[in-house]
Amino acid sequence: SQKIEQNSEALNIQEGKTATLTCNYTNYSPAYLQWYRQDPGRGPVFLLLIRENEKEKRKERLKVTFDTTLKQSLFHITASQPADSATYLCAPRPTSGTYKYIFGTGTRLKVLA
Amino acid sequence: AAGVIQSPRHLIKEKRETATLKCYPIPRHDTVYWYQQGPGQDPQFLISFYEKMQSDKGSIPDRFSAQQFSDYHSELNMSSLELGDSALYFCASSLRGRGDTQYFGPGTRLTVL
Repeated sequence: SQKIEQNSEALNIQEGKTATLTCNYTNYSPAYLQWYRQDPGRGPVFLLLIRENEKEKRKERLKVTFDTTLKQSLFHITASQPADSATYLCAPRPTSGTYKYIFGTGTRLKVLA
Repeated sequence: AAGVIQSPRHLIKEKRETATLKCYPIPRHDTVYWYQQGPGQDPQFLISFYEKMQSDKGSIPDRFSAQQFSDYHSELNMSSLELGDSALYFCASSLRGRGDTQYFGPGTRLTVL
């Protein structure tokens, strides 16, 4: 069955460092992969989308990579700030023929001042 | 900019009662998604609609039904409520063909007593 795995443990990093979050998927080949940020009790907020034919995408301090051979996406936050503390979810779209996204379990990031 | 509107924001029901959740997508968005998120869990896809027709179906119980109306708003109807239905219910909308970026509403917190 289709499966998505993210760092299950919370990630604590020091302010100013780069945070790297991992999203691994098995048993399918997503056409798109999205990353979202979610704060407690709030809806996920879209951050970045990367397509299967793109290796890397950047937006300000954020960078996403997509390795279809490894079946993995990495999400980087450079120069991290305490305000970046949140849960980050990856959501691959299984195939180009469906609009059903499957969310990963999320990684809770805490940036320490 | 207009965002996704959900109502009510909080809802308390007794077991075996019925609940209706409403979602008003971002203007001109043609696709609506419903998700259920239990405490500490990732959002679980329930169902989606494109141009008022059901598009994809996820783990939606038979006790739940949903529809999208001519004005594109959507309603999730939940009957014979169970304690396990207590969760945050998110609605998201997107514009097909624009990378399907989903914009989430603030959620409805349903508590079943």
